[in-house]
Amino acid sequence: DQQVKQNSPSLSVQEGRISILNCDYTNSMFDYFLWYKKYPAEGPTFLISISSIKDKNEDGRFTVFLNKSAKHLSLHIVPSQPGDSAVYFCAASHRGSTLGRLYFGRGTQLTVWP
Amino acid sequence: DAGVIQSPRHEVTEMGQEVTLRCKPISGHDYLFWYRQTMMRGLELLIYFNNNVPIDDSGMPEDRFSAKMPNASFSTLKIQPSEPRDSAVYFCASSSSGKRTDTQYFGPGTRLTVL
Repeated sequence: DQQVKQNSPSLSVQEGRISILNCDYTNSMFDYFLWYKKYPAEGPTFLISISSIKDKNEDGRFTVFLNKSAKHLSLHIVPSQPGDSAVYFCAASHRGSTLGRLYFGRGTQLTVWP
Repeated sequence: DAGVIQSPRHEVTEMGQEVTLRCKPISGHDYLFWYRQTMMRGLELLIYFNNNVPIDDSGMPEDRFSAKMPNASFSTLKIQPSEPRDSAVYFCASSSSGKRTDTQYFGPGTRLTVL
């Protein structure tokens, strides 16, 4: 049972425009959320995170928004660049879990074209 | 600093053969994780260790899968016997402590193909 869902397997955006990647979760115990980025032939790398006590966290061109009532988070990339083309994984952990355990979505392939 | 090291990067084997994947975590990291990535299930945790002790192996799919961590700098994931449905990319990751806010650092993965 997928507790973290990324329903869009792919997204294509023109360079300079905004990319919005979405993620839904089902477990109300989740209170910490992360986004990882993965290039081909490499492992995922940490991008940005947010705690459930916040509804927004920003780091440069990347902003994550959390809507707890909707159990939804999104990653905004503004402006999008060709180098942002990668697979983006949403992940979550909950206060009741064994330490360190993350639950990942299936990922969304972002393609930024010139 | 060297990141997480995995070997081999690619493995092609025939059904029924034993497969051993290897991982060297980042020096000083106390937590080691094994993940599997497939199209159907995405990135799923198989097992993780703290100070070389398995903590949560609930994600290990079957008894055919086993993992060990004989010391702080080495871990193996073994599949015996392998089956075509085991074909996937297997990642190893490590982190410095058990805090949920700690970043997990992933290796480049091993792409396993079972024919």
